[in-house]
Amino acid sequence: GAVVSQHPSWVICKSGTSVKIECRSLDFQATTMFWYRQFPKQSLMLMATSNEGSKATYEQGVEKDKFLINHASLTLSTLTVTSAHPEDSSFYICSARPRRGHEQYFGPGTRLTVT
Amino acid sequence: SQQGEEDPQALSIQEGENATMNCSYKTSINNLQWYRQNSGRGLVHLILIRSNEREKHSGRLRVTLDTSKKSSSLLITASRAADTASYFCATDETGTASKLTFGTGTRLQVTL
Repeated sequence: GAVVSQHPSWVICKSGTSVKIECRSLDFQATTMFWYRQFPKQSLMLMATSNEGSKATYEQGVEKDKFLINHASLTLSTLTVTSAHPEDSSFYICSARPRRGHEQYFGPGTRLTVT
Repeated sequence: SQQGEEDPQALSIQEGENATMNCSYKTSINNLQWYRQNSGRGLVHLILIRSNEREKHSGRLRVTLDTSKKSSSLLITASRAADTASYFCATDETGTASKLTFGTGTRLQVTL
């Protein structure tokens, strides 16, 4: 089956620093990747949609200057949380959609803790 | 937010029993998907049902879809302790380029 990886799986950083999270589709090309955030015991909330070679589309209420998304290739998208604050602590999950089909394949998630 | 609602929020059953969870949504859809998430882990895709389908089976899973009522149900038969997880429905809404909108989730606990 289609495999999506995320790196790192967890990260602890100090307030004010920036953190980059990578999302890779390992065995397929993903024209579209999605970034979600999940707070404890809550559902996934879509943050942005990332299309290869173009600017990401952010959901309402998500600051594009704070959550920088780059989708430079068909197998890699990155999310950079800039000037992180404790309230940014969350579980960040990416998904990737192949060229054909409606299914999304999810990465294992990255737990970010900002101290 | 157009997030779907799931009920129950939490469900506790004994091994061998069936578990049913329901999902309601608000918009027209291309398909509806069910996912499973173990605590602190990523999502595992369980089953996809298209808008023109009414019922689908996969192993011990049975999913129904009623587009007139904008609702779906997931039935897990003969549950096992390993089925303990959170289950989410997600709708692929028409006209949204395959964005998924997740339901609030049901936390299932299967005890021995």
